[in-house]
Amino acid sequence: EAGVVQSPRYKIIEKKQPVAFWCNPISGHNTLYWYLQNLGQGPELLIRYENEEAVDDSQLPKDRFSAERLKGVDSTLKIQPAELGDSAVYLCASSSVGGRNGELFFGEGSRLTVL
Amino acid sequence: GENVEQHPSTLSVQEGDSAVIKCTYSDSASNYFPWYKQELGKRPQLIIDIRSNVGEKKDQRIAVTLNKTAKHFSLHITETQPEDSAVYFCAASINPGKLIFGQGTTLQVKP
Repeated sequence: EAGVVQSPRYKIIEKKQPVAFWCNPISGHNTLYWYLQNLGQGPELLIRYENEEAVDDSQLPKDRFSAERLKGVDSTLKIQPAELGDSAVYLCASSSVGGRNGELFFGEGSRLTVL
Repeated sequence: GENVEQHPSTLSVQEGDSAVIKCTYSDSASNYFPWYKQELGKRPQLIIDIRSNVGEKKDQRIAVTLNKTAKHFSLHITETQPEDSAVYFCAASINPGKLIFGQGTTLQVKP
């Protein structure tokens, strides 16, 4: 079974440029998450989707970050414009437990460097 | 909101020794406590979890204990092996799917 797939794995951009990350969750997983992981820190939730609905986006900086999950499968996270402090790893995760707590399956992450 | 503190930030043990990582949480309503292992450059992976109606759970060399009164939980790894070397994250959850992670513990197992 394929795991959570993210792309690109690495991205280097200059500040003020836009960037987008793509995530394909495990087949059949209705819940999708985007997490931000700064160097040496634990992941921090940005947004959670149940199917195509964003049920928790309270931690998403909406002035520059946006996300979508069309058709309730793949998801895209966008940053526009990027700032130096956005350099981090962006992790996508999915789960099959819906409204219950359970295992999150993470992707390998997209490492962003903003120069 | 919920806050999770994790200690120590780094831990070095000899192969075969035990390792213990501790976490405290702030919100007594938290009811789910997973532990994730992240090897260098890899994705975090769940190694064990515990729910608030259980005080202890064991899976081979790994065990987790939960003290709801003190609001802390711990990961215990016995007979450590070099392949146990990684960063370990604890997490707590009040609402389903909203995990609050600790800062991580880098475990080094020396052969």
